[in-house]
Amino acid sequence: DTGVSQDPRHKITKRGQNVTFRCDPISEHNRLYWYRQTLGQGPEFLTYFQNEAQLEKSRLLSDRFSAERPKGSFSTLEIQRTEQGDSAMYLCASSWRGSGNTIYFGEGSWLTVV
Amino acid sequence: AQSVAQPEDQVNVAEGNPLTVKCTYSVSGNPYLFWYVQYPNRGLQFLLKYITGDNLVKGSYGFEAEFNKSQTSFHLKKPSALVSDSALYFCAVHQTGANNLFFGTGTRLTVIP
Repeated sequence: DTGVSQDPRHKITKRGQNVTFRCDPISEHNRLYWYRQTLGQGPEFLTYFQNEAQLEKSRLLSDRFSAERPKGSFSTLEIQRTEQGDSAMYLCASSWRGSGNTIYFGEGSWLTVV
Repeated sequence: AQSVAQPEDQVNVAEGNPLTVKCTYSVSGNPYLFWYVQYPNRGLQFLLKYITGDNLVKGSYGFEAEFNKSQTSFHLKKPSALVSDSALYFCAVHQTGANNLFFGTGTRLTVIP
């Protein structure tokens, strides 16, 4: 049984560059979530997919952020024109209807913007 | 609006002693409540949840949590703490009709040998 997989685990980028993170959910999980976590804080919800449809986006997801889930399988989160305030851990999670609203997280992708 | 409060940023307990990590919540309707644990530089691991039924919920690694509707609390407990329990613990709530979990700010548990 493979869990949620995220890549890369760590990314250092210069301010103004674009970055993309990938998430592979648990097989057969049709629901996928992106969260952001900064030091000393709990995870903050960014966006939610059910299959390939992006059903909810947080106000935290500025115009520089875009998420996709083509074909309802893996997902990507792209950040354009990165800013130092984007430095955080980006967490992907997945679930399915039978999991009773339990969501299962990946190991996270650390982003440092210098 | 939903909210979760973890009033203690840090909890220290001696190895072998019982531990409690506190959580209170506010939601509309019946709550679904969760505890997750996070080890350094790792993602969150699911520990346990309350949906309905018995107020005492048992979870992974010997943890349990007690749901108290009148006090709107869902405290995490363990009868005998281990050094390996040292980690960051998050309480989360799912509100009926919402698509996501809402997390507290976390409590850092340190078990002292």
